Amino acid sequence: KNQVEQSPQSLIILEGKNCTLQCNYTVSPFSNLRWYKQDTGRGPVSLTIMTFSENTKSNGRYTATLDADTKQSSLHITASQLSDSASYICVVSAGNTGGFKTIFGAGTRLFVKA
Amino acid sequence: DAGVTQSPTHLIKTRGQQVTLRCSPKSGHDTVSWYQQALGQGPQFIFQYYEEEERQRGNFPDRFSGHQFPNYSSELNVNALLLGDSALYLCASSLEVAEQGSSYEQYFGPGTRLTVT
Repeated sequence: KNQVEQSPQSLIILEGKNCTLQCNYTVSPFSNLRWYKQDTGRGPVSLTIMTFSENTKSNGRYTATLDADTKQSSLHITASQLSDSASYICVVSAGNTGGFKTIFGAGTRLFVKA
Repeated sequence: DAGVTQSPTHLIKTRGQQVTLRCSPKSGHDTVSWYQQALGQGPQFIFQYYEEEERQRGNFPDRFSGHQFPNYSSELNVNALLLGDSALYLCASSLEVAEQGSSYEQYFGPGTRLTVT
């Protein structure tokens, strides 16, 4: 069964600190993995996208890693800011040119405190 | 280049009523997917439209229906509203999958917040 599990469910950190969010998936055939940031009540915004052959991708203070062998990904946030408070959703696409399925994780809710 | 747009932003309806939500995809995109997101949950896939036809459908009742127009814009219709239909409804657009391969990616709109009272 195609599944995407994220941990922790929620996280509280102090402004300026780093944090790492985890995503484990059981998806086949793997196509790509994306991390989205979603502010409360808004649509998700793409942070990174990684295909099978990529094991790291950065977007400013966000760095995503992918281990296709263990089917794990992480999102590392450096020097957190108050504006980083949001839900971070891991999304995995499975399939090929015959069709894709998109599987969403439940998200990690990050709270950054001053 | 306009991204994905949705209307209205917020909507309040009464149980039993019907609602229509609208979505315009990102320029150049031809595939539209709709998601329902309850508070504190991840998005749940409702259905996907391509070439004006429903191509995939999630586990939602027939009260949820949709349409895609020749200009690729789309509507989501929900009949006989229930309290449990209160959620953020997200529209996402993408290019037809055969052209995307491993670069397949969706772009999301800001969502429509539906409240059923």
